[in-house]
Amino acid sequence: GAVVSQHPSRVICKSGTSVKIECRSLDFQATTMFWYRQFPKQSLMLMATSNEGSKATYEQGVEKDKFLINHASLTLSTLTVTSAHPEDSSFYICSATTGSNQPQHFGDGTRLSIL
Amino acid sequence: QQQVKQSPQSLIVQKGGISIINCAYENTAFDYFPWYQQFPGKGPALLIAIRPDVSEKKEGRFTISFNKSAKQFSLHIMDSQPGDSATYFCAAMAAAGNKLTFGGGTRVLVKP
Repeated sequence: GAVVSQHPSRVICKSGTSVKIECRSLDFQATTMFWYRQFPKQSLMLMATSNEGSKATYEQGVEKDKFLINHASLTLSTLTVTSAHPEDSSFYICSATTGSNQPQHFGDGTRLSIL
Repeated sequence: QQQVKQSPQSLIVQKGGISIINCAYENTAFDYFPWYQQFPGKGPALLIAIRPDVSEKKEGRFTISFNKSAKQFSLHIMDSQPGDSATYFCAAMAAAGNKLTFGGGTRVLVKP
C-alpha cells in the first residue's frame, strides 16, 4: 500500500521549454503533497507544500512563478517548471500524505536535464 | 539552520556487521522520527519510524534507538547485507505538522 507514482522518470529538453511533472497517489487519497529538489549527493530540499484545492505554499527562496504547482484532486499534483534553464536541472521528487503527523510516501523522482 | 544533524556522512561495513547512523535534533516540538532508504535514481522509501513515547523500535534487522533527553536518535542495521548499500536519511516532523526536516544523509556501503 501507499504507492506514489511520478511521471516522467526522466526528461531532457532544451533551455526555455516548460516541463510538467505528475505525482499520483495510487491507493490512497493524499490531502497534502510535497515537492522536493535533490542535488547529487545532497539531502532533499522542500520546495513547496500543496493541499488539494488550495494554492501551494512555497519555501523561502523558491520562485512560485517558476515552479507552478497544481493539486486539482486528492490523487494528483503537478509541478510545472516554466521556461527551464540549465540551472533548473535536478532530481525532483514528490511525496504524499493522508494528513498531519502522518508518514510521507515518496515517488521515484524525475531526473530533469536542461540542455 | 540545520535542525537535524546526521552522522557519519559515509560508512563502510563488512557483510554481517552492524551499521550505525546517528541523528541529533534541536526542535523540541518534533515528535515523529522516520528513517528513509534511498537507492540511486530512486525516491526515498520509508524504512522505519518512531515516536517519542518509546525508546526503541525494531523491525526485522532495523532498529531505531531514541533518547529524548539528549534529543538524539539512531538507526542500527544488524547483519548488514550488500543489498543494504544505499543512502539513509533521518528526518523529523513536529506534532500537528506535516513538513519533514531531513538530515544530510549517510551513504552506506556494505562490502561482501
